[in-house]
Amino acid sequence: AQSVTQLDSQVPVFEEAPVELRCNYSSSVSVYLFWYVQYPNQGLQLLLKYLSGSTLVKGINGFEAEFNKSQTSFHLRKPSVHISDTAEYFCAVIRTGGGNKLTFGTGTQLKVEL
Amino acid sequence: EAQVTQNPRYLITVTGKKLTVTCSQNMNHEYMSWYRQDPGLGLRQIYYSMNVEVTDKGDVPEGYKVSRKEKRNFPLILESPSPNQTSLYFCASSQGSGANVLTFGAGSRLTVL
Repeated sequence: AQSVTQLDSQVPVFEEAPVELRCNYSSSVSVYLFWYVQYPNQGLQLLLKYLSGSTLVKGINGFEAEFNKSQTSFHLRKPSVHISDTAEYFCAVIRTGGGNKLTFGTGTQLKVEL
Repeated sequence: EAQVTQNPRYLITVTGKKLTVTCSQNMNHEYMSWYRQDPGLGLRQIYYSMNVEVTDKGDVPEGYKVSRKEKRNFPLILESPSPNQTSLYFCASSQGSGANVLTFGAGSRLTVL
């Protein structure tokens, strides 16, 4: 079984500052990795995903994440945040080769302040 | 517009009164799933369905039932709701499982008194 750890439940940051949201996973088999974002009072939507190939993945709204197999991490970064990035961010993992249960982390609330 | 539609969006009910949360998708997706979201616990999978008449338990299935009689619909049934089922519920669908991206509904906030 796989699991996901998001160590930071809340991350406050000033507008235009860089941000990193941390995600570590545990799995005995190879996995696909995702970041989803949930804006206030909405459902989740995909930010980016890692399936294979280049370990640096670019997503929507200027976000990117880097897959690090040795450290079993998939941290999300943005060089300059905007007020509109205030949301909750979820890291998720599913095993490759027929996996059908997507496991989510507990989420990180990003609060961007002026 | 491609979407997942959940109803009701908000519901307050009492312990023991059966209720159904409907979920419908218009993308001809094979895979559908229900999650509940609780503070500090993230999203936990309740049930999922790989196709019509094929359903399976997720991580927290106790107290819930589902059915998949048609491809587009995947209702969540609470036969005898209890206060610990007060939560925010999300339905999601995708073309298949694995690498496929989930499309989420807007959520259904359920309060059981």
